[in-house]
Amino acid sequence: DGGITQSPKYLFRKEGQNVTLSCEQNLNHDAMYWYRQDPGQGLRLIYYSQIVNDFQKGDIAEGYSVSREKKESFPLTVTSAQKNPTAFYLCASRVGQGDTGELFFGEGSRLTVL
Amino acid sequence: GQQVMQIPQYQHVQEGEDFTTYCNSSTTLSNIQWYKQRPGGHPVFLIQLVKSGEVKKQKRLTFQFGEAKKNSSLHITATQTTDVGTYFCAGPTAAGRRALTFGSGTRLQVQP
Repeated sequence: DGGITQSPKYLFRKEGQNVTLSCEQNLNHDAMYWYRQDPGQGLRLIYYSQIVNDFQKGDIAEGYSVSREKKESFPLTVTSAQKNPTAFYLCASRVGQGDTGELFFGEGSRLTVL
Repeated sequence: GQQVMQIPQYQHVQEGEDFTTYCNSSTTLSNIQWYKQRPGGHPVFLIQLVKSGEVKKQKRLTFQFGEAKKNSSLHITATQTTDVGTYFCAGPTAAGRRALTFGSGTRLQVQP
């Protein structure tokens, strides 16, 4: 089945540790995105990538890093510099590089920092 | 930067009542999209509107895009318990940045 796979679904980490969230898609989509969602809030854009080996900062990129070495994969690292990392992280992809077309979301990764 | 505001934040209705959520952008949008997120789930695409004044229907859901392309609405007729969730509007962000800015969402609760 085509889709987006995020892992892990739940993750607990101690403060000060870096964490990498995986996002893989087999939809052959060009663009991929990372959003953060806090309880009762909307989605805020962290990073996005339109093509392999290229990515751009979103609205809340501080304390996060990404890579796009393969079309299918867009991992997100939550670094120790992120002040409040506990949140629900959503990866999405979209066909093409324009500003239209639906986003397909993964099921999300829920990160809790203790 | 561009902001997308949604009202109300929360609405509780009796099953069978109608529901409307409104979305307003600080800038003109080339298109607007609507998503639904069930409790504990991930957002799922509902529709995209592109033309000024466009109206689209999906069964009991009616979507509108304003004439100035800065506002939009989602209206649900005769709500059902399956309509429970949070509804988000989203539009393309600043020129040159091909990513969506999401509104804060409207959470709908339907009392059976």
